[in-house]
Amino acid sequence: NAGVTQTPKFRILKIGQSMTLQCTQDMNHNYMYWYRQDPGMGLKLIYYSVGAGITDKGEVPNGYNVSRSTTEDFPLRLELAAPSQTSVYFCASSQKPTAQHFGDGTRLSIL
Amino acid sequence: RKEVEQDPGPFNVPEGATVAFNCTYSNSASQSFFWYRQDCRKEPKLLMSVYSSGNEDGRFTAQLNRASQYISLLIRDSKLSDSATYLCVVNYNNNDMRFGAGTRLTVKP
Repeated sequence: NAGVTQTPKFRILKIGQSMTLQCTQDMNHNYMYWYRQDPGMGLKLIYYSVGAGITDKGEVPNGYNVSRSTTEDFPLRLELAAPSQTSVYFCASSQKPTAQHFGDGTRLSIL
Repeated sequence: RKEVEQDPGPFNVPEGATVAFNCTYSNSASQSFFWYRQDCRKEPKLLMSVYSSGNEDGRFTAQLNRASQYISLLIRDSKLSDSATYLCVVNYNNNDMRFGAGTRLTVKP
């Protein structure tokens, strides 16, 4: 019962570095989402996908890129890390645009 | 007006109390509504969907008021284990889900 798996769980980056946050789900869900959550705040949608090959911007897409080459995987790419991107990142999936299953999160610090 | 707005709390209540949270949303075309709970440093987990006619799941009751654009969550007979942050979620358009900042609840013995 893996559900939604995110890697890594923790990461520290230097300003200007790049990295990819991995997300995979084994529930054959069509919809996948990336959120960020800053301390004391709600989740903000970065990007989402309604199926393989289709991605759309959410509320806060700047500084990020995504791809969806398979149903299972939805990686999030940071090209030029900035301190403002320090946050907890959650990936989620759902069969329809309804109730979502979340991964454990990736805690990212940019120094 | 924020897309989804919640009273941040915190709500501090004794065990056995009844507590209610409200959430307002700005998009009158929204069709899907949910309550999630989030424990400290954990991922959000679905608590319940909110249906037009209102719905109940054990000690939890959710209501939707489309005319006033708000949803509510009522928790009866609060338990210590109910302590968490409760997140209101509304779809902004078909696929774009917007989260409120959350209401923190602490249930005390």
